[in-house]
Amino acid sequence: GAGVSQTPSNKVTEKGKYVELRCDPISGHTALYWYRQSLGQGPEFLIYFQGTGAADDSGLPNDRFFAVRPEGSVSTLKIQRTERGDSAVYLCASSAGGQGNTGELFFGEGSRLTVL
Amino acid sequence: LAKTTQPISMDSYEGQEVNITCSHNNIATNDYITWYQQFPSQGPRFIIQGYKTKVTNEVASLFIPADRKSSTLSLPRVSLSDTAVYYCLVGAMDSSYKLIFGSGTRLLVRP
Repeated sequence: GAGVSQTPSNKVTEKGKYVELRCDPISGHTALYWYRQSLGQGPEFLIYFQGTGAADDSGLPNDRFFAVRPEGSVSTLKIQRTERGDSAVYLCASSAGGQGNTGELFFGEGSRLTVL
Repeated sequence: LAKTTQPISMDSYEGQEVNITCSHNNIATNDYITWYQQFPSQGPRFIIQGYKTKVTNEVASLFIPADRKSSTLSLPRVSLSDTAVYYCLVGAMDSSYKLIFGSGTRLLVRP
């Protein structure tokens, strides 16, 4: 598709389990972002990739959260030992990045994570 | 990164013009102002972006005074489908560019 694709759209897991969330950005977009959004709140920045490297991971809440983008395209957000407080919608966005970047982020529809 | 302040909620009626003002007193010289719209169960969507004065596109207008410490998003003749959350963000467009969202303004358009 032409937009940012996120899978799964919904994930229900039990406390303590491991979860992976996948993001397929728009083809050719070098910048990729992960955000987390709780009900009634704005998206909370987690991590930003420029190409394959994490340019800014200052938003990751703790070491249970990790994200990769090995080939500079698809990214996976990994959450270990999930806790109930991790329940949220995880949003991925991509942008053209680099020189001439307009700064417009294109968001996917999100992956809703529920930790029981 | 500059912090933004905007009203928590606004009500309007179909056909009216809606103006949402955002304060960003600590905006930096190389910061741009960007507005996003978010519907329930969807990711935010880019509406408009500007640096100074006025920007207009097919969806909205953005007014930025000379001191750039605030900005106003103007939605002409809103419809029910404009009911959404609107976010004002500021940030520089460089290699470390990232957007920090606040809580946004919930706009409710009534018939």
